[in-house]
Amino acid sequence: DAGVIQSPRHEVTEMGQEVTLRCKPISGHDYLFWYRQTMMRGLELLIYFNNNVPIDDSGMPEDRFSAKMPNASFSTLKIQPSEPRDSAVYFCASSKGLAGGYTDTQYFGPGTRLTVL
Amino acid sequence: EDQVTQSPEALRLQEGESSSLNCSYTVSGLRGLFWYRQDPGKGPEFLFTLYSAGEEKEKERLKATLTKKESFLHITAPKPEDSATYLCAVNAGNNRKLIWGLGTSLAVNP
Repeated sequence: DAGVIQSPRHEVTEMGQEVTLRCKPISGHDYLFWYRQTMMRGLELLIYFNNNVPIDDSGMPEDRFSAKMPNASFSTLKIQPSEPRDSAVYFCASSKGLAGGYTDTQYFGPGTRLTVL
Repeated sequence: EDQVTQSPEALRLQEGESSSLNCSYTVSGLRGLFWYRQDPGKGPEFLFTLYSAGEEKEKERLKATLTKKESFLHITAPKPEDSATYLCAVNAGNNRKLIWGLGTSLAVNP
């Protein structure tokens, strides 16, 4: 399996521009997670999906952030308009679901390093 | 509030010098504790999952243990290639969310 695929790997943009990050989860995984990682705050969960449906978006910082999962093999995270404080590494992860509500291992993509000037 | 704390923040070892990393947690209803390794410029890579106090898992030079309040990642006779950031995360409650620690940055000198 190719693992979780993310694109682009690096993105440099100017404040106010729209940014779209893309993710292809591992085939057969029911859950997809979007994270943001910074030195100060570590890994923060932004939103996660189950069977393409958003389950918890309480980590989305504000209305400038939105995420979609139109099908089982593709998800996007959009920031519009972008701001310098959005600069971070954004990771996508996917996992299977376990019976009894237990969480299975999350497998991470290589991340997108976003720099907003 | 659910919380995960890792210590130390950074650790420097000589090759062959064994040590332990700590992950303490305060959560309601632990449903799993996860250890990951992260190399610079890469995504976290899964190492272990522990579900109940007393459980232990091993992989090469690494051994993870779990108590009711903390987990240890023991590194025996480390090599330079073990240098990385080690992340701990817990799952609690009735959802799939993981609560992450800030990690321990490990450097092993040859």
